[in-house]
Amino acid sequence: SQQGEEDPQALSIQEGENATMNCSYKTSINNLQWYRQNSGRGLVHLILIRSNEREKHSGRLRVTLDTSKKSSSLLITASRAADTASYFCATSSSGSEKLVFGKGTKLTVNP
Amino acid sequence: DVKVTQSSRYLVKRTGEKVFLECVQDMDHENMFWYRQDPGLGLRLIYFSYDVKMKEKGDIPEGYSVSREKKERFSLILESASTNQTSMYLCASSGQAYEQYFGPGTRLTVT
Repeated sequence: SQQGEEDPQALSIQEGENATMNCSYKTSINNLQWYRQNSGRGLVHLILIRSNEREKHSGRLRVTLDTSKKSSSLLITASRAADTASYFCATSSSGSEKLVFGKGTKLTVNP
Repeated sequence: DVKVTQSSRYLVKRTGEKVFLECVQDMDHENMFWYRQDPGLGLRLIYFSYDVKMKEKGDIPEGYSVSREKKERFSLILESASTNQTSMYLCASSGQAYEQYFGPGTRLTVT
């Protein structure tokens, strides 16, 4: 029951540029979350946006949510080589503790 | 800081062996999860537990079982390992908030 689908699958940019990743989902959600995974490691939670929110910021991260289009975007500003990782969106439905993850966007930031 | 630990980073087992993967969290979280991650398929939920001795099947429970005898520990059991269970296994926990905290992962190879 794959819910989120990230786009693009892979993204390669230069240090200092902005990176934008998109996520689309299929059913109603309670919240949407973004996670980062460095190669071969566990996932790290980045940010959560609730279904009644439209935008959220955390440091260099900006997340938007459009529930009418069932989509979200993650913007990383002024990217750094250390941002190189895979990024996953995950959705939670109302009343459920479970998350459904997308397949991820692999971001490469070149020095 | 929340800490989720997994018993092994790398594990090699033979076909037909019984395999135990252990996960421990130190934040008194009610919910614990087991995922497997495969290239091109993203994270898929195997089982989750919302309380001691309580469990629910995820999307791909076949060939797996789980045990949660204590709140901090959640074990994944492969009753008879097969080569198609070669994968990265990720454990996570969550409390009242929806964000999940992940362990570093166990890369299991079944030969």
